[in-house]
Amino acid sequence: NAGVTQTPKFQVLKTGQSMTLQCAQDMNHEYMSWYRQDPGMGLRLIHYSVGAGITDQGEVPNGYNVSRSTTEDFPLRLLSAAPSQTSVYFCASSPETSGGGKQYFGPGTRLTVT
Amino acid sequence: DAKTTQPNSMESNEEEPVHLPCNHSTISGTDYIHWYRQLPSQGPEYVIHGLTSNVNNRMASLAIAEDRKSSTLILHRATLRDAAVYYCIPYAGGTSYGKLTFGQGTILTVHP
Repeated sequence: NAGVTQTPKFQVLKTGQSMTLQCAQDMNHEYMSWYRQDPGMGLRLIHYSVGAGITDQGEVPNGYNVSRSTTEDFPLRLLSAAPSQTSVYFCASSPETSGGGKQYFGPGTRLTVT
Repeated sequence: DAKTTQPNSMESNEEEPVHLPCNHSTISGTDYIHWYRQLPSQGPEYVIHGLTSNVNNRMASLAIAEDRKSSTLILHRATLRDAAVYYCIPYAGGTSYGKLTFGQGTILTVHP
């Protein structure tokens, strides 16, 4: 299994540009989520999904959209990038059997907005 | 959400045991205690979790105080690869399904 994969690894955007961060998992996990991590800080939950077709907001959802059309993929869209969105983004998935507490994280996408 | 208090940093020598403490005095009776670690430039990695009893797995041991207001992650023989930020996370599940709240964690430095 490849586990949780994220693309791209690095991205530089100009203010106002839009882009999609990709996340995929091959473990057939129903739960997927997106976190951001600012320098020297812990992770904060952006959006999450408990299954295909179901998404909900986390702690810091403003400026981001998500959709979940398949079990495997959970893309994160930045609508109009702002310097405050400069961060490292992590995608995670979790099997239902763990009750959501045991999560598998991807390697992250480092985003810089200028 | 239960608040946690962890030391900002700790140091250890290679092949020595490491005890990483966490205070979670406001934890709910049904919250599990999860530990994650984050190696440099990587995503967090699940380490271990428990509810009341002490737990062991191939990575570490988790000792939970009888009153559940604190816990200790034990690395039995630290290696250089164990240098990471360690997060203690009370996890409720239920209506908070999947929501992990990461604090600042403890930066563990392992000396050769």
